Amino acid sequence: DAGVTQSPTHLIKTRGQQVTLRCSPISGHKSVSWYQQVLGQGPQFIFQYYEKEERGRGNFPDRFSARQFPNYSSELNVNALLLGDSALYLCASSFGLGDYEQYFGPGTRLTVT
Amino acid sequence: QKEVEQNSGPLSVPEGAIASLNCTYSDRGSQSFFWYRQYSGKSPELIMFIYSNGDKEDGRFTAQLNKASQYVSLLIRDSQPSDSATYLCAVTATTDSWGKLQFGAGTQVVVTP
Repeated sequence: DAGVTQSPTHLIKTRGQQVTLRCSPISGHKSVSWYQQVLGQGPQFIFQYYEKEERGRGNFPDRFSARQFPNYSSELNVNALLLGDSALYLCASSFGLGDYEQYFGPGTRLTVT
Repeated sequence: QKEVEQNSGPLSVPEGAIASLNCTYSDRGSQSFFWYRQYSGKSPELIMFIYSNGDKEDGRFTAQLNKASQYVSLLIRDSQPSDSATYLCAVTATTDSWGKLQFGAGTQVVVTP
């Protein structure tokens, strides 16, 4: 079975621009979470979606938004990019909410110049 | 106090020896605990999860959980050069977003031939 997929793999944007990152979960998984990982740190939680509804939001500004589609895929949008948004953005897939195992996709490396 | 704490390392381990990684967490209500392995430039890969006090073994890996002490550890037996990576400890939160993962900063393991 295919794992979690993310696109694009790499992205270079300029400050002030907007970016959309995409994620497809493992087949049968209904929950998608987004994490940001900067160099030298563990991933930080951004959003959690389950059955197309936002079920959790981390401590990120309103420039960050996301949604989940009927096929359980998800998009993460970031507006008005800042240099500090440069990071590895990870999508994690799980069967449901709560204490289920979460499996990560390969990530999208975003560089803001 | 950080929610999940790990020694950053690097932890240098001779090939064939046992690597011992430690993690402490602050959320006393946490129920699920995960170990991820992350190679440089790659996304985290789930290698172990544990929900109950005690030991859980999977191949060369053993996870140990002590909820009373808020402590979880990972042992890697017969360490191989391919085990050289950063190991992330993650704990599910019980407040805010149910099931969101809180990560430590990771312990870098270097297995020397």
